[in-house]
Amino acid sequence: EVQLVESGGGLVQPGGSLRLSCAASGFTFDNYEMNWVRQAPGKGLEWVSYISGSGTAIYYADSVRGRFTISRDNAKNSLYLQMNNLRVDDTAVYYCARDPAYRNWYFDLWGRGTLVTVSS
Amino acid sequence: EIVLTQSPGTLSLSPGERATLSCRASQSVGSRFLAWYQQKPGQAPRLLIYGASNRATGIPDRFSGSGSGTDFTLAISGLEPEDFAVYYCQQYGSSPLTFGGGTKVEIK
Repeated sequence: EVQLVESGGGLVQPGGSLRLSCAASGFTFDNYEMNWVRQAPGKGLEWVSYISGSGTAIYYADSVRGRFTISRDNAKNSLYLQMNNLRVDDTAVYYCARDPAYRNWYFDLWGRGTLVTVSS
Repeated sequence: EIVLTQSPGTLSLSPGERATLSCRASQSVGSRFLAWYQQKPGQAPRLLIYGASNRATGIPDRFSGSGSGTDFTLAISGLEPEDFAVYYCQQYGSSPLTFGGGTKVEIK
C-alpha cells in the first residue's frame, strides 16, 4: 500500500527540540521530492519545508528557517524534520507530503500527521 | 507572498445541490499553478485538482476546477454525503507555496 506515516510528535516546552519522522512505503521513495506541511489547531495549511529526492536541494518557509532542518534517508525510506528552539506558534499537526513529479510543487500523497504541542 | 482568499467561509447546501467555491489570489499565480484539496475532520488533505482544472487520480468527475491568473473556482455538481468537508486552494506559481484559509461545505 502506498502510504506515509508520521511519528515523533508530542508535548515540548518553548525553546525545546523535537525530531519528526515520516516512513514511506509502497513507492520508490528516492524518486520523489518530499515536503513538510503543518496545520495549527483549527487553522489552515502552511508549507514548512522541501527536500529533493537526492537531498541536495532544500528550502524552508521564513517562519522556520534557521530553526528547523529537513533531511531524508533513502536507504530507510524515511523523511525527517529536526525542530529546534520551538515556539508556541509552532504548535500544529505536521504532515509529510509527496510531490508527484519533479518540482510540481503540489502534493498528491499525505500522511495522517503528527501533533506537536509547544507549551509550558 | 501570494495571499489566497477563499469564499465563502462556509457554504450550507443539501445533498444533490451544486457547490461553487472561489479562490482569489493577491497577484497572478502564473498561468494555472493552482491546486485544490479536500480535508475531512481528523484526516489528511486529499488532492482533488491540480493545474487549475486537472482532476487527480481517482477523483470523481463531479469535481471540476476552472480559472486562471487570480481567480479560480472549484465546482462540485451534485453533492454526495462524503463531499461535506473543508476545501483548500494552494498556489504553486510563486515562492513560498501558500494555501487559502479554506471553505467549509456543510449540510444544510
